[in-house]
Amino acid sequence: DGGITQSPKYLFRKEGQNVTLSCEQNLNHDAMYWYRQDPGQGLRLIYYSQIVNDFQKGDIAEGYSVSREKKESFPLTVTSAQKNPTAFYLCASSLSPGQGIGYTFGSGTRLTVV
Amino acid sequence: QKEVEQDPGPLSVPEGAIVSLNCTYSNSAFQYFMWYRQYSRKGPELLMYTYSSGNKEDGRFTAQVDKSSKYISLFIRDSQPSDSATYLCAMSAGTGNQFYFGTGTSLTVIP
Repeated sequence: DGGITQSPKYLFRKEGQNVTLSCEQNLNHDAMYWYRQDPGQGLRLIYYSQIVNDFQKGDIAEGYSVSREKKESFPLTVTSAQKNPTAFYLCASSLSPGQGIGYTFGSGTRLTVV
Repeated sequence: QKEVEQDPGPLSVPEGAIVSLNCTYSNSAFQYFMWYRQYSRKGPELLMYTYSSGNKEDGRFTAQVDKSSKYISLFIRDSQPSDSATYLCAMSAGTGNQFYFGTGTSLTVIP
């Protein structure tokens, strides 16, 4: 079955550590996205990528970094510069602009700072 | 002002009730309107989408868009306990444009 796989499901980070969240899709979608979900704030866009080797900052990119070396993969690194990283992180993908509407989401990674 | 406003609830209804979920928005350029359902600790799944104004029906679900009022609704008929989830509205000016999400409304359907 096609879909998006996020791992790990739960992640714990110590103060000052960088952690990387994995996102893999086998839908042959060109565009991929990272969102952060906090209670009462909805989904906020961190980064997005429409083609391999290219990505753009979203609304809350500070303290995060991404790469897009393969079409299928869009990992997100939460750096120590992100002061409040505890949240639910969602990866999504979609067809190219003009070819469809709506995102397919992964099941999410819950990151907690300990 | 947020691009999209959505009452977070929580909303609690008895099984079989008709549920109305709503969002308002400020950007008149929005043309694509979507509803996502998100179960606890899961990613959102696309429920329905509508282009421009009008109604769209899919089984027990009806999506309505009123662009003149900048107001969208999702109606759930004969609500079931399995409908208990958070419902997020989302909208975009075009298929290549950024989506803007509401904060989500938490719905519980009581058996």
